[in-house]
Amino acid sequence: EDQVTQSPEALRLQEGESSSLNCSYTVSGLRGLFWYRQDPGKGPEFLFTLYSAGEEKEKERLKATLTKKESFLHITAPKPEDSATYLCAVQALKGGSNYKLTFGKGTLLTVNP
Amino acid sequence: EAGVTQFPSHSVIEKGQTVTLRCDPISGHDNLYWYRRVMGKEIKFLLHFVKESKQDESGMPNNRFLAERTGGTYSTLKVQPAELEDSGVYFCASSQDPPDRPITGELFFGEGSRLTVL
Repeated sequence: EDQVTQSPEALRLQEGESSSLNCSYTVSGLRGLFWYRQDPGKGPEFLFTLYSAGEEKEKERLKATLTKKESFLHITAPKPEDSATYLCAVQALKGGSNYKLTFGKGTLLTVNP
Repeated sequence: EAGVTQFPSHSVIEKGQTVTLRCDPISGHDNLYWYRRVMGKEIKFLLHFVKESKQDESGMPNNRFLAERTGGTYSTLKVQPAELEDSGVYFCASSQDPPDRPITGELFFGEGSRLTVL
């Protein structure tokens, strides 16, 4: 069974204090690993897709990396508006539907000014 | 362009009652998905429509849940009769990605329908 474990569950940073969120996964052949951002009362918002180990993607202060067992979401010099829950999800090669995703529980990031 | 819209945003019902959730996907998106997040758990896949056909309903919890997508446009998810464990947030999502192409990750979610069963 595919599994995604995210750590830490919650992270509190000061503005400008860089850090990383972890996503460990077990999947029977990875088709894609996804990072989403979710604000309170909203649905998940797509950030990145990573397909193979060694791949990296960047967007503003966020950088996602992928190995064969885990992915990291690095946040450089975060701002209060980066506060959100960050979700990691995987899609297996034999998962059937394109977006039959297995999600982690998420990391709640709070950035204090 | 309008995003994925869901209705109602919050529903409170008694155990044993029926509730119907509605989802309007982004116009032109053939793929429509239902996901659910119960308290303290991760978001879980329920089912996938391609146009009006159910592509995958392996995540549906039991036969008290019925999803339809008549005409391949909006979708409804009916829970009948509702039980306490059905409480949670039900997300609808849509995408353009065709099944025979690499997935982009661009799955667009609605804001969810929060269901509370008392």
